[in-house]
Amino acid sequence: QVHLVQSGAEVKRPGSSVKVSCKASGDNFRRFALSWVRQAPGQGLEWMGGIVPVFATPTYAQKFQGRVTINTDESTTTAYMELSSLTSEDTAMYYCVRYSGYDYDTFPDYWGPGTLVTVSP
Amino acid sequence: QSVLTQPPSVSAAPGQKVTISCSGGSSNIGKHYVSWYQQLPGTAPKLLIHDDAQRPSGIPDRFSGSKSGTSATLGITGLQTGDEADYYCATWDSSLSAVVFGGGTKVAVL
Repeated sequence: QVHLVQSGAEVKRPGSSVKVSCKASGDNFRRFALSWVRQAPGQGLEWMGGIVPVFATPTYAQKFQGRVTINTDESTTTAYMELSSLTSEDTAMYYCVRYSGYDYDTFPDYWGPGTLVTVSP
Repeated sequence: QSVLTQPPSVSAAPGQKVTISCSGGSSNIGKHYVSWYQQLPGTAPKLLIHDDAQRPSGIPDRFSGSKSGTSATLGITGLQTGDEADYYCATWDSSLSAVVFGGGTKVAVL
């Protein structure tokens, strides 16, 4: 069984950055893709990007290129997502997701509980 | 505007069946496996179906998935009040090099 524990809720000012963490336990951390998916209030799911720890090269959705950084710390089996230049449109729940294999053409089988990020003046 | 198209809502009486469609294209559904998720209010999404039609352990056989060409379908039989939730389809898009989701479908049990 895999458990994903995410960092707590954040309130940020417009123009600032936020860094959300996701600690994974229970399985071989290096071999499985990890992604970040966000959901604005009342809206659908949106894939931001991901990383496979053993390859260490992140993949980002076009919409977030240049504004998001995803990386991992294998020593603590923790993934991080940092989003910069925040606006009110970044107010959302951010989910950490683990895939069933080492690429995104598999399927997300474990979801974290989510981290609420609120961007407010 | 989502890459994958789902109906905004479907509804049926308890015990009845609903189907949710997910329409895409040749670079996503037409080439890659589809997965489906159930999101109950206030909770994280939960995997229902993977690889087009496979159910993870613990998912009742009331839930089924299928795919034909560039469209996929989720079926729910024996509808229960506990099935009221939002349902999402997802797959990899090789043109976008990104995971794409449908816009979600709200299931209502009348």
